[in-house]
Amino acid sequence: SQTIHQWPATLVQPVGSPLSLECTVEGTSNPNLYWYRQAAGRGLQLLFYSVGIGQISSEVPQNLSASRPQDRQFILSSKKLLLSDSGFYLCAWSATGTAGNTIYFGEGSWLTVV
Amino acid sequence: RKEVEQDPGPFNVPEGATVAFNCTYSNSASQSFFWYRQDCRKEPKLLMSVYSSGNEDGRFTAQLNRASQYISLLIRDSKLSDSATYLCVVNIASGGFKTIFGAGTRLFVKA
Repeated sequence: SQTIHQWPATLVQPVGSPLSLECTVEGTSNPNLYWYRQAAGRGLQLLFYSVGIGQISSEVPQNLSASRPQDRQFILSSKKLLLSDSGFYLCAWSATGTAGNTIYFGEGSWLTVV
Repeated sequence: RKEVEQDPGPFNVPEGATVAFNCTYSNSASQSFFWYRQDCRKEPKLLMSVYSSGNEDGRFTAQLNRASQYISLLIRDSKLSDSATYLCVVNIASGGFKTIFGAGTRLFVKA
């Protein structure tokens, strides 16, 4: 069966510090991968998605970036965090090929920028 | 207008009650539909897909009305453990597929 893991689960970072969140998927090949953010009491915002290694699409311009160095690895980064970057970050995957596939989420990473 | 709209609630219901959530979507190119459940400070998890003919999974019934661009989720015999936020999700065919999440409806089931 397929599993998805992301880490760290929680982190507190000062403004201006870098960020790296990692996500891996097991049990499937060539998945579509996503990074979402959920601010407190708000809906999910798609940040990035990837349909293959090195292929990243950005949905929202901001100081975050994403990379996909391996087929089942997705990384969210920032060089300098802002207070507004605080939130719940979720990595997710869906199967490639068939349109409208279900999205499955990792456990999430709580980021507090202070 | 938001692409997917839900009543944010919260809905406060006693155990055993029947509760219904509604969701409307604006894009007629929407092709597949889901309900997710999200517990406090946890990731969303798939509750059920929504099919045109309507579908049921135990105490949960989902319905789709394409003409009105409307999706519903009915929970019968509510349990304390049903307390969560329920997210309406729509996949839109638009040069590929785009998944849109509603902001969610909060449900509190009380003893």
